[in-house]
Amino acid sequence: DIVMTQSPDSLAVSLGERATINCKSSQNVLYSSDNKIYLAWYQQKPGQPPKLLIYWASTRESGVPDRFTGSGSGTDFTLTISSLQAEDVAVYYCQQYYSTPFAFGQGTKLEIK
Amino acid sequence: QVQLVESGGGVVQPGRSLRLSCAASGFIFSNYGMHWVRQAPGKGLEWVAVISHDGSDKYYAGSVKGRFTISRDNSKNTLYLQMNSLRVEDTAVYYCAKDRKPAMDYWGQGTLVTVSS
Repeated sequence: DIVMTQSPDSLAVSLGERATINCKSSQNVLYSSDNKIYLAWYQQKPGQPPKLLIYWASTRESGVPDRFTGSGSGTDFTLTISSLQAEDVAVYYCQQYYSTPFAFGQGTKLEIK
Repeated sequence: QVQLVESGGGVVQPGRSLRLSCAASGFIFSNYGMHWVRQAPGKGLEWVAVISHDGSDKYYAGSVKGRFTISRDNSKNTLYLQMNSLRVEDTAVYYCAKDRKPAMDYWGQGTLVTVSS
């Protein structure tokens, strides 16, 4: 099974500053047949279900602000929020869709400093 | 608009069974795979199971394999999760989510399952 590990577990960033969340997969999640990375990012605010932010590691879901950027390759991935807004306070999860079980990372809690 | 509404949660004793339902609307249900994902209180997300659009393929997390069964009724636009031999550690909010490879693009609000004696 592929294991997803996020770092850090929690993060406090000042409003307007950059936030960076890392995600590492225990195996490559790039499918050679279609050259696509089977990695997604979700945002979960308290009391709400998760919301899809990024898929194919770097494609922003419709309606997601462009301050959210996904990047990475191989087994190392990053979610960057370029200028933190108050509404970005949430827990962020990466997930691999390469093979079942479709594991999530343990989550990174993002707060305002 | 896409809506996913889970139901069937509640309090159940260890070893008993429960069936969750997820009513879907706003999209052509029979065209999409569907997932169950759970979240224990104060914990992270755990993927539980996925079913293909026509129900022919099903995959499970190791923690539920042999105890849980995912199914669907495309004539009723409804997804199910039959949970047998429930354990205390199955206590969680259970979400259904619509598949859009390589992710889950719509999620329900969840239904809480509490396994306790």
